[in-house]
Amino acid sequence: IAGITQAPTSQILAAGRRMTLRCTQDMRHNAMYWYRQDLGLGLRLIHYSNTAGTTGKGEVPDGYSVSRANTDDFPLTLASAVPSQTSVYFCASSQSPGTVYNEQFFGPGTRLTVL
Amino acid sequence: AQSVTQLDSQVPVFEEAPVELRCNYSSSVSVYLFWYVQYPNQGLQLLLKYLSGSTLVKGINGFEAEFNKSQTSFHLRKPSVHISDTAEYFCAVSDRYNFNKFYFGSGTKLNVKP
Repeated sequence: IAGITQAPTSQILAAGRRMTLRCTQDMRHNAMYWYRQDLGLGLRLIHYSNTAGTTGKGEVPDGYSVSRANTDDFPLTLASAVPSQTSVYFCASSQSPGTVYNEQFFGPGTRLTVL
Repeated sequence: AQSVTQLDSQVPVFEEAPVELRCNYSSSVSVYLFWYVQYPNQGLQLLLKYLSGSTLVKGINGFEAEFNKSQTSFHLRKPSVHISDTAEYFCAVSDRYNFNKFYFGSGTKLNVKP
């Protein structure tokens, strides 16, 4: 089934540890995004990528890094996790941002707890 | 920068009653507008979108929304809700010129009671 997969589904992590959240899409979409969802705040954009080889900062990029080596994969790395990064993380993709095909498709999410 | 305000954090409603979920946005440029639904422990699914043309947009599951440029609103409506509509609904705006960035509202939890 075409779509976006995220791994792991959930994770408990000690503060200071490094963690990579994985995201893979099989729709050959150009753009990919990472959001965090926190109660009462909705979704906030962390980083995005318009196409393979390029990335950009969103609304809340501090403490996170991304890479886009190919079209399908867009991992999000927390170099040294802190408790304020406890959240649900969603990966999304869109076919052609800036056109009528810019709706975003979302993965199932990763629930991350940093202790 | 854009911002999206969903005026109601929770909306309780009885089954088969009509419902309106409110969304207002602020923007100095043209925008695309979206409504997404999130069922418990799932990702977001697109309900409907406004890109241009008719201001009344119909989506899946019997939902519709009306774009009102003068009031900068994009309220979501359904004439008769079902128990299965219980979910959280998010309004989002995308700047047509800074298209990398979607701005989401804080969400409205719709609780449909029997």
